[in-house]
Amino acid sequence: NAGVTQTPKFRVLKTGQSMTLLCAQDMNHEYMYWYRQDPGMGLRLIHYSVGEGTTAKGEVPDGYNVSRLKKQNFLLGLESAAPSQTSVYFCASRMGLVAEQYFGPGTRLTVT
Amino acid sequence: GDSVTQMEGPVTLSEEACLTINCTYTATGYPSLFWYVQYPGEGLQLLLKATKADDKGSNKGFEATYRKETTSFHLEKGSVQVSDSAVYFCALSAGTGNQFYFGTGTSLTVIP
Repeated sequence: NAGVTQTPKFRVLKTGQSMTLLCAQDMNHEYMYWYRQDPGMGLRLIHYSVGEGTTAKGEVPDGYNVSRLKKQNFLLGLESAAPSQTSVYFCASRMGLVAEQYFGPGTRLTVT
Repeated sequence: GDSVTQMEGPVTLSEEACLTINCTYTATGYPSLFWYVQYPGEGLQLLLKATKADDKGSNKGFEATYRKETTSFHLEKGSVQVSDSAVYFCALSAGTGNQFYFGTGTSLTVIP
């Protein structure tokens, strides 16, 4: 039981490049979330999903897209990376609306 | 709307000192409340939780009591260790809607 895993762990992109971050969970959770964490800003919700095939915008969705084609996976895409997207990205999942969230180890992304 | 307000840091304590990190919340329903801990370079881990009023969550010597009358969920530990140095996040799940609300985090450093 690996919990929530994220790939890659680190990535450096040049401005304008694209990439996809993968989040996978093996707990059969319905809800999945993508956050970014920046110094002094706490956690900010980018997008979330309430089940396979569904996605919704969070607090800071601009510049990101997501897909949830399979229940266990939640992908975060950057179509044209910008230096403002330099951050640590965390994925999380939970079973239900009153349940705790389980977090992945994070992806540290630098855009130059 | 729903929100969480927690004590700003950073907090620096000597080993074996007492710790209190204040957390208050605003919610329209009957939320579940959580404390998460984040060690350097890692994702957030659930420290403790409480799902109804007067519940006390506890783990690793940390405690927090869900107080509806004061809308608070303060984190306490009687004797901190160097290994407790981390960032602590208070969080709320309202049970309605799909989101999870985090405080901005409180950095704790414990010195020998």
